[in-house]
Amino acid sequence: KQEVTQIPAALSVPEGENLVLNCSFTDSAIYNLQWFRQDPGKGLTSLLLIQSSQREQTSGRLNASLDKSSGRSTLYIAASQPGDSATYLCAVDSPRANSKLTFGKGITLSVRP
Amino acid sequence: SQTIHQWPATLVQPVGSPLSLECTVEGTSNPNLYWYRQAAGRGLQLLFYSVGIGQISSEVPQNLSASRPQDRQFILSSKKLLLSDSGFYLCAWSGGLEMNTEAFFGQGTRLTVV
Repeated sequence: KQEVTQIPAALSVPEGENLVLNCSFTDSAIYNLQWFRQDPGKGLTSLLLIQSSQREQTSGRLNASLDKSSGRSTLYIAASQPGDSATYLCAVDSPRANSKLTFGKGITLSVRP
Repeated sequence: SQTIHQWPATLVQPVGSPLSLECTVEGTSNPNLYWYRQAAGRGLQLLFYSVGIGQISSEVPQNLSASRPQDRQFILSSKKLLLSDSGFYLCAWSGGLEMNTEAFFGQGTRLTVV
């Protein structure tokens, strides 16, 4: 059974700091891994999708990497801003899960002005 | 481009009343559709998913049901709500004719059962 872990559950950093959010998964046989952002009371916004054959994806100040063999992904946020404050979730799509995403519980990020 | 609509945004219902939440997708065909529930501190729980009209798979035993009467319409229902049905419900889609493996979510419905 695929399990996804995100630690820590919460993180507070000063504005301008570069930061890394971690995601780990137990079954390395995945189709892809996706990072989402969720603002309070809102739905999930897709940030980056990394296919199993890829090692990283970039969008603006965001960079996500994938190491399937070790079961890890990181989301790198450069020059953090208060507007980056949100909960960040990672999810994996695995063959054994029949294309149903398995989510971590998320990391709640607070960027202090 | 593809969009997903989910309504209502908030709902307060008494215990024992029926429920109907609707989700529609535009701009694609044959999407995989999903209903999730998000409870505080417990993460996202997959409730139902559908790979086609009339094809519904339930992930957990519960007081809820789902239907897909049209290709791009997904409905979450209950005949009699329980207090424990309170939560944040999210609809999502993936796949479709574009074979898009990325998942996209609606804005969610906050359900409070009183």
